[in-house]
Amino acid sequence: QVQLVQSGAEMKEPGASVKVSCKASGYTFTRYFIHWVRQAPGQGLEWMGSINPGDGTTNFAQTLQGRVILARDTSTTTVYMELSNLKFEDTAVYYCLVISQGYWGQGTLVTVSS
Amino acid sequence: EVVLTQSPGTLSLSPGERATLSCRASQSVSSNYLAWYQQKPGQAPRLLIYGASNRATGIPDRFSGSGSGTDFTLTISRLDPEDFAVYYCQQYGTSSTFGPGTKVDI
Repeated sequence: QVQLVQSGAEMKEPGASVKVSCKASGYTFTRYFIHWVRQAPGQGLEWMGSINPGDGTTNFAQTLQGRVILARDTSTTTVYMELSNLKFEDTAVYYCLVISQGYWGQGTLVTVSS
Repeated sequence: EVVLTQSPGTLSLSPGERATLSCRASQSVSSNYLAWYQQKPGQAPRLLIYGASNRATGIPDRFSGSGSGTDFTLTISRLDPEDFAVYYCQQYGTSSTFGPGTKVDI
């Protein structure tokens, strides 16, 4: 069956970087864009960006431009999201997803704390 | 950037009643790439509707989506107790944004 399996929870200090992985299985990896969305505690959903696994092209939310990198490894059908210069307000659950198919990862909690 | 506005912020209804949720975009949503999600506390969002009016796999037919351009609606024909949750709309053309959500409570 289709699965998006994300890496585990992370705790980082302000100014550091975090890298979260999302391994896709059960479908043709290059068929669908993979998006990243985050949700801060008690808040709504924020779209971060997307990647086309077929050619690696990316698109990002203006508010995060310059701080987020998306990359993919077709040999392992894995997408990576790296967020740099972390701030306290980056504390959130981060999800990878395929929108049109409703596939979601289980979420990764990233906590930024000194 | 396309800004989505959802109304009302909170909808207080009873089981069996009809719920009508609105999502308005600041500019036309390309190809009606508009999705609706349901989220319950502690859970990931669940896709209900994609392409403005297509029910996702396994979604009961009491959920329906309609609209085009800048105005979209999610209708729950008869509320089931398990439907009390927060609902988000999302546009997903080249870029993407979410609305702030509508809470449906008793």
